[in-house]
Amino acid sequence: QQQVKQSPQSLIVQKGGISIINCAYENTAFDYFPWYQQFPGKGPALLIAIRPDVSEKKEGRFTISFNKSAKQFSLHIMDSQPGDSATYFCAASHGGRNTDKLIFGTGTRLQVFP
Amino acid sequence: GAVVSQHPSRVICKSGTSVKIECRSLDFQATTMFWYRQFPKKSLMLMATSNEGSKATYEQGVEKDKFLINHASLTLSTLTVTSAHPEDSSFYICSVQRGERYTFGSGTRLTVV
Repeated sequence: QQQVKQSPQSLIVQKGGISIINCAYENTAFDYFPWYQQFPGKGPALLIAIRPDVSEKKEGRFTISFNKSAKQFSLHIMDSQPGDSATYFCAASHGGRNTDKLIFGTGTRLQVFP
Repeated sequence: GAVVSQHPSRVICKSGTSVKIECRSLDFQATTMFWYRQFPKKSLMLMATSNEGSKATYEQGVEKDKFLINHASLTLSTLTVTSAHPEDSSFYICSVQRGERYTFGSGTRLTVV
């Protein structure tokens, strides 16, 4: 119930291509779904987040698509660049409530080749 | 989100000694902070929730006597790894929750030799 499943485990994309990472959850009480980007030796940094009342959110080259009925959400990175090479984590929580836990997906290692 | 500072970024200690890691919320008074552990090429695993002025809440399987958490002020939480052993070597990351947003520290690489 508390798990967030993420796929693929690794992804190789050519520069300029689209990177797509998928996540699925079971707990319908989750209402906040962020994506984090992590570079080696660094803490995760918030990339973009969405709430279930919208089906899509776009910020620059990054788009979250959200399917509430399927309990799935995905991250699309348009025009992927070598600098996007990092590990990406989806996550879920009951957003805004104090002491609420953030549940992470298993991570996707993205490599973008020139 | 909050601005979070974590120190030190790297520490090497001898087996049997204790190590303290600090997490500071620089621009926000955080009643709650979180401590995570991350193994190489793995996801973040929540260890405990640090509550200002009260005892930390530990996740199942995390030894509270091994990983001491103190949240004595609204801007500082510390994680002390006591009697460290090589298996405690890992990447430790703190997080501050502000509203629905969670901001993470830059992490501490602990190596126990």
